[in-house]
Amino acid sequence: QSALTQPASVSGSPGQSITISCTGTSSDVGGYNYVSWYQQHPGKAPKLMIYDVSNRPSGVSNRFSGSKSGNTASLTISGLQAEDEADYYCSSYTSSSTLFVVFGGGTKLTVL
Amino acid sequence: EVQLVESGGGLVQPGGSLRLSCAASGFTFSSYWMHWVRQAPGKGLVWVSRINSDGSSTSYADSVKGRFTISRDNAKNTLYLQMNSLRAEDTAVYYCARVTVVTPVYFDYWGQGTLVTVSS
Repeated sequence: QSALTQPASVSGSPGQSITISCTGTSSDVGGYNYVSWYQQHPGKAPKLMIYDVSNRPSGVSNRFSGSKSGNTASLTISGLQAEDEADYYCSSYTSSSTLFVVFGGGTKLTVL
Repeated sequence: EVQLVESGGGLVQPGGSLRLSCAASGFTFSSYWMHWVRQAPGKGLVWVSRINSDGSSTSYADSVKGRFTISRDNAKNTLYLQMNSLRAEDTAVYYCARVTVVTPVYFDYWGQGTLVTVSS
């Protein structure tokens, strides 16, 4: 079982907005602002989309935004486009002695 | 251009060993912490191990501790993962990933992955 909890799937129509949640604990998401989000297309390596909860790396569209409240982080994608269809993973630094970072189980985004 | 190229994956019997390599180019390899992350077929990402920039500090997920060893050769710009006593549950695509310098918990570059299959 993954350390961070994400919905298995979300869907939306082109142009709409969707939000993916990522719930952890005070030992990870809630305790640190070291939350990131990754996009993974089938057969490809993950790509960093958001870091430090809400910052975008250079080159990532401003349609992607992140936020956090308590133990839950969220990724919002506005103006959905067909190429946004992918798996999305959240990640957080953790104070666990047995891990360094933890990932969510992943959310499959379908653009209808 | 930053490039990470993994190699060394393949089919191995339970109890066997494999050594993965990750050749880095396009950046000052010796300045960055590096990690291995794996993904079982159809499953999510799982952190495996990390090593600091000079190789003096390492850490492992509980599931691989005592069986896997991460190392690096900064002269050769190469990261390694020695995997011993392999189990069926180690079957996965293994990615090497670079983390950002300022906050070394964000994976900003990933390799294409190498598939390890543990089966008799």
